[in-house]
Amino acid sequence: GAVVSQHPSWVICKSGTSVKIECRSLDFQATTMFWYRQFPKQSLMLMATSNEGSKATYEQGVEKDKFLINHASLTLSTLTVTSAHPEDSSFYICSARETGVPYNEQFFGPGTRLTVL
Amino acid sequence: QKEVEQNSGPLSVPEGAIASLNCTYSDRGSQSFFWYRQYSGKSPELIMFIYSNGDKEDGRFTAQLNKASQYVSLLIRDSQPSDSATYLCAVAYGGYQKVTFGTGTKLQVIP
Repeated sequence: GAVVSQHPSWVICKSGTSVKIECRSLDFQATTMFWYRQFPKQSLMLMATSNEGSKATYEQGVEKDKFLINHASLTLSTLTVTSAHPEDSSFYICSARETGVPYNEQFFGPGTRLTVL
Repeated sequence: QKEVEQNSGPLSVPEGAIASLNCTYSDRGSQSFFWYRQYSGKSPELIMFIYSNGDKEDGRFTAQLNKASQYVSLLIRDSQPSDSATYLCAVAYGGYQKVTFGTGTKLQVIP
């Protein structure tokens, strides 16, 4: 089956620093990847849609200058949390949609748990 | 606002019973419907997807879709304690590639 990896799986950083999270589709090409955030006991909240070779589309209320997304290849998207603060602590999950698949099926990465001190 | 609604639960069923999880959605233009399972602290994993009215079976799981009623359900037969998790309903709509998730139903299978 389709496999999506994320790196790192967890990260602890100081307030004010930047953190980069990588999302890779390992055995398929993904024109589109999605970044979600999940706070404890809440559902997934879509942050942005990452399109290969073009600018990401951000959901309402998500600061594009704070959450920088780069989708430079068909298998890699990165999310950089800039100037992280404790309220950015969350579980960040990416998903990828295989190019050409008609039914919008998404495969999720294992997630990255970010803790900002 | 495209909405997907689920009962948060918890839904408790005894081991071996059938668990029935329900989901309603607001957008009649929705095209594809997904059920994901999420264990605590883990990311969601896809169980099934369905796009045509009727039933779709895969092992112990059956997805049911009724577009007229804007209703999709997941049945788990012979429930096992390992099925205890939160089940997320997700709906893809229109010409977009985005998927809207429900808040999930927590299932507890009691040994």
